[in-house]
Amino acid sequence: DTGVSQDPRHKITKRGQNVTFRCDPISEHNRLYWYRQTLGQGPEFLTYFQNEAQLEKSRLLSDRFSAERPKGSFSTLEIQRTEQGDSAMYLCASSLGQGRRMNTEAFFGQGTRLTVV
Amino acid sequence: AQSVAQPEDQVNVAEGNPLTVKCTYSVSGNPYLFWYVQYPNRGLQFLLKYITGDNLVKGSYGFEAEFNKSQTSFHLKKPSALVSDSALYFCAVRDPSGNTPLVFGKGTRLSVIA
Repeated sequence: DTGVSQDPRHKITKRGQNVTFRCDPISEHNRLYWYRQTLGQGPEFLTYFQNEAQLEKSRLLSDRFSAERPKGSFSTLEIQRTEQGDSAMYLCASSLGQGRRMNTEAFFGQGTRLTVV
Repeated sequence: AQSVAQPEDQVNVAEGNPLTVKCTYSVSGNPYLFWYVQYPNRGLQFLLKYITGDNLVKGSYGFEAEFNKSQTSFHLKKPSALVSDSALYFCAVRDPSGNTPLVFGKGTRLSVIA
């Protein structure tokens, strides 16, 4: 499978614990995005990388959230001191972009469903 | 800031009938517009996009969408619905003037009834 892969698919954690999710984008894609989706809502943008540079972060991304893409390939999203409100599906997507062109579609992984109890 | 509205939470259509899922957008300048579909417990799958050119865009699985600048709309259509088209559909917009991410609507659940 050469699509976007995310690990784990499901995570149940106790409130206050830290969790880390991994995303492996399509290999030649230089852009990587993290979104969060709650029930009945569309995906909400969290953050975006071009290669290893984190170019934009949403105001939704509190200081408990951190994302990295150290070598411009896979990315991790860490949530520290999880809260029940963090329960959601976390989606990763990647795309191939050239310069400032943003007209290419993003391909999404199947997501990591986080449940904070 | 760009935004997308999907005015219908749910659309029901009989199999074999044409379907339309509505989307309107707000963005400064000319938009990039996208439709995605989401099946249960799956990620989003790209259906089609409008960047420039012909207002009628054809995509995967027989879907098409029409860009209407005067009405700021990008409705998704299919001439003949299949039961397997039942899913959650998302419209998304991107402002091409900067490094902005895709902004999604809340989604429309399509149910095709046999």
